Amino acid sequence: DAGVIQSPRHEVTEMGQEVTLRCKPISGHDYLFWYRQTMMRGLELLIYFNNNVPIDDSGMPEDRFSAKMPNASFSTLKIQPSEPRDSAVYFCASSPDRGRVAGANVLTFGAGSRLTVL
Amino acid sequence: AQKVTQAQTEISVVEKEDVTLDCVYETRDTTYYLFWYKQPPSGELVFLIRRNSFDEQNEISGRYSWNFQKSTSSFNFTITASQVVDSAVYFCALSEAEGAASKLTFGTGTRLQVTL
Repeated sequence: DAGVIQSPRHEVTEMGQEVTLRCKPISGHDYLFWYRQTMMRGLELLIYFNNNVPIDDSGMPEDRFSAKMPNASFSTLKIQPSEPRDSAVYFCASSPDRGRVAGANVLTFGAGSRLTVL
Repeated sequence: AQKVTQAQTEISVVEKEDVTLDCVYETRDTTYYLFWYKQPPSGELVFLIRRNSFDEQNEISGRYSWNFQKSTSSFNFTITASQVVDSAVYFCALSEAEGAASKLTFGTGTRLQVTL
């Protein structure tokens, strides 16, 4: 398996522009997570999905952020409009349902998308 | 609420020295999981170990070992005979055991610099 695949790896944009980050989870994984990493706040959970359904979006900072998972193999995190304080590394991670698979609650992370908003 | 504290922001050692990274956690759950992840300079997060709260046995994997002490709410990580390739940021994390998903709460990380 190729692991969790994220794109783009780097994105530089100007304030006010729309940004879309993409994620392909590991095939067969039921859970997908979006995390954000900044120097000030460290790694924080934004939202997670189970079987394509958003379960907990309490970490999404504000209405400018939205996430979708139209199918089991694809998710997007969108920021519209972007602001300089959104600059961060955004990680996508996936895991199997630990109720079905022993030792399943290990998250496998993608390589991250580094976003810079000027 | 869950909390993970990694008090050591940065540690520098010379190659072949042993080094211990500290992790202290807080949770009201009686059942939970603890993790360590490594983030090398390339940026990805690499899983190292998972331990559940019922298993207090220490674990050794090559040069890596982990000391889980429930009495002090600590889950420390030791690298024996450190190498330059061990240079990375190491994160301790905690998740609840209930439910089917593992929402990880991360510590702030410890940056380890191993020099020749």
